[in-house]
Amino acid sequence: GENVEQHPSTLSVQEGDSAVIKCTYSDSASNYFPWYKQELGKGPQLIIDIRSNVGEKKDQRIAVTLNKTAKHFSLHITETQPEDSAVYFCAAPTSNTGKLIFGQGTTLQVKP
Amino acid sequence: DAGVIQSPRHEVTEMGQEVTLRCKPISGHNSLFWYRQTMMRGLELLIYFNNNVPIDDSGMPEDRFSAKMPNASFSTLKIQPSEPRDSAVYFCASSPADRGYEQYFGPGTRLTVT
Repeated sequence: GENVEQHPSTLSVQEGDSAVIKCTYSDSASNYFPWYKQELGKGPQLIIDIRSNVGEKKDQRIAVTLNKTAKHFSLHITETQPEDSAVYFCAAPTSNTGKLIFGQGTTLQVKP
Repeated sequence: DAGVIQSPRHEVTEMGQEVTLRCKPISGHNSLFWYRQTMMRGLELLIYFNNNVPIDDSGMPEDRFSAKMPNASFSTLKIQPSEPRDSAVYFCASSPADRGYEQYFGPGTRLTVT
């Protein structure tokens, strides 16, 4: 089955700096990689995803890159703002099922 | 769209009592997922339904846990009897038929069993 590892577990940056969170997965058949943002007291919210037919996807200050050969994908946040502070989760699907396996989460703190 | 709706938002109960958590998925979504989140174990999938049918309940911790989906707009997760180690935040999520991996989460139910 799929195994997803996420690093780092905590990340602290100054406002305006960039933040990068990395994940690796084990199932080479996986073809969809979402990222979720969870704010305090709320459920995870899908913020961006990437499919295996592209290597990079960007949405304003957020971008995700995918390296299928190495089986890793990353979330990049540029020009960080205090409201970016949250827990971020990566995920990958198990083959031929509707299940997502989530990483352990990264707590991002953006210091003003 | 109202998003996924869960009730109650908070539940405090005594050990041994029955607890029922409720979920209304996004209209038109055909898959529904129940997750449990704790500091120690992170986000765990308990069970998921496709077109109201349970597909995979391998994450349900034990027989004290049961889930039902009587129709496309309602699901319940029941714990009977509850134990202190069941204390966690329980999330419901739903996804559309044509984008099955895009899961949309509800606000969660924070369960405390004393």
